[in-house]
Amino acid sequence: RKEVEQDPGPFNVPEGATVAFNCTYSNSASQSFFWYRQDCRKEPKLLMSVYSSGNEDGRFTAQLNRASQYISLLIRDSKLSDSATYLCVVNPVLSGGYNKLIFGAGTRLAVHP
Amino acid sequence: GAVVSQHPSRVICKSGTSVKIECRSLDFQATTMFWYRQFPKKSLMLMATSNEGSKATYEQGVEKDKFLINHASLTLSTLTVTSAHPEDSSFYICSARQVGQPQHFGDGTRLSIL
Repeated sequence: RKEVEQDPGPFNVPEGATVAFNCTYSNSASQSFFWYRQDCRKEPKLLMSVYSSGNEDGRFTAQLNRASQYISLLIRDSKLSDSATYLCVVNPVLSGGYNKLIFGAGTRLAVHP
Repeated sequence: GAVVSQHPSRVICKSGTSVKIECRSLDFQATTMFWYRQFPKKSLMLMATSNEGSKATYEQGVEKDKFLINHASLTLSTLTVTSAHPEDSSFYICSARQVGQPQHFGDGTRLSIL
């Protein structure tokens, strides 16, 4: 089983749509969770951290369910500029003062006019 | 914000060549740097973790003699792909962080071995 699993998509949605991505992780001891965004042929950029209580940043809402080892990202009012691959990222354990990140393969989102 | 510079951004070379990629943290001292590799439509895979002044820790399945990592200072780490072959063609990305801070990624190096 992969450490971090995501639906690869693609999700093709019209502008203004609401879209949700899901992610599951295998290591129950994981401590930190993130969503990154990666544009084609570019490096990943941190979109937001994911907290147990759920958190929101503008049109983006992230949720974490530790019991189910499940993370979600909701994008409201999709924009053309949201088209990218969204990477679910997990930090399995805190060790040695540095973080080791495990990346999911990503979910592709294509927003069309 | 924190900036990590990676150089070169694109390399095309013949099989058997060794290629060096540099990763620099421009405005902070990076206690730890990470090297990742990403094949098309696949996830980023951590290759190795390096702390300044000590030997890199390689992930399982990554050959340390093939992928030489030098973290000589708090702002510079290098990855050398020795005797590169076509199967080494990939997108190589570094990241850097200070203790307690998130990782910041370089903009990647696209390596093509002919």
